[in-house]
Amino acid sequence: AQSVTQPDIHITVSEGASLELRCNYSYGATPYLFWYVQSPGQGLQLLLKYFSGDTLVQGIKGFEAEFKRSQSSFNLRKPSVHWSDAAEYFCAVIPPDTGRRALTFGSGTRLQVQP
Amino acid sequence: KAGVTQTPRYLIKTRGQQVTLSCSPISGHRSVSWYQQTPGQGLQFLFEYFSETQRNKGNFPGRFSGRQFSNSRSEMNVSTLELGDSALYLCASSLGRGNVEYEQYFGPGTRLTVT
Repeated sequence: AQSVTQPDIHITVSEGASLELRCNYSYGATPYLFWYVQSPGQGLQLLLKYFSGDTLVQGIKGFEAEFKRSQSSFNLRKPSVHWSDAAEYFCAVIPPDTGRRALTFGSGTRLQVQP
Repeated sequence: KAGVTQTPRYLIKTRGQQVTLSCSPISGHRSVSWYQQTPGQGLQFLFEYFSETQRNKGNFPGRFSGRQFSNSRSEMNVSTLELGDSALYLCASSLGRGNVEYEQYFGPGTRLTVT
């Protein structure tokens, strides 16, 4: 079945430490890939996106993501986490060549940042 | 440029009632999508409107409906409310065409509680 998976429900890191959030997808062709962040009581903010081309994508707030076709992954990274990064992070996809523009979301990873 | 706005932000309704939620997209954006977010089901796509026409539809019962006006503002309606309709309803807008048509920008959401 076509799906997007975020294996980690909850991650805790110390402030200043590096971060990697995992995202795997299961589609016949490479979908369009997105990462969103949601702070408590807020909507979703687009961090970055991948459609094609360079597999390392830079986003806002110092985040980057790497697309790996061989692993069907699109992991989000940040070299040094700040306390304000504590939030829930969602990986999302749009299947290619379907004409549909509906985002399919992973179940999310909640990030906690320790001082 | 102002972001996506949603009104009201919070709403409490009783089972059996109906509710209308409103969304104003980013200026120039012609596509509006609606998503439901619940703790159990996560983020799920409801429908997408472009140029006053429903272009995509998710897997929700007919009690959920929407429309889009000529100024791209959109409303969604839920009739005969059930307890399970309690959720955060998120609206997202995009240009709807061109290279960035798949980039969706979200509003803060409307928190609906059904009692």
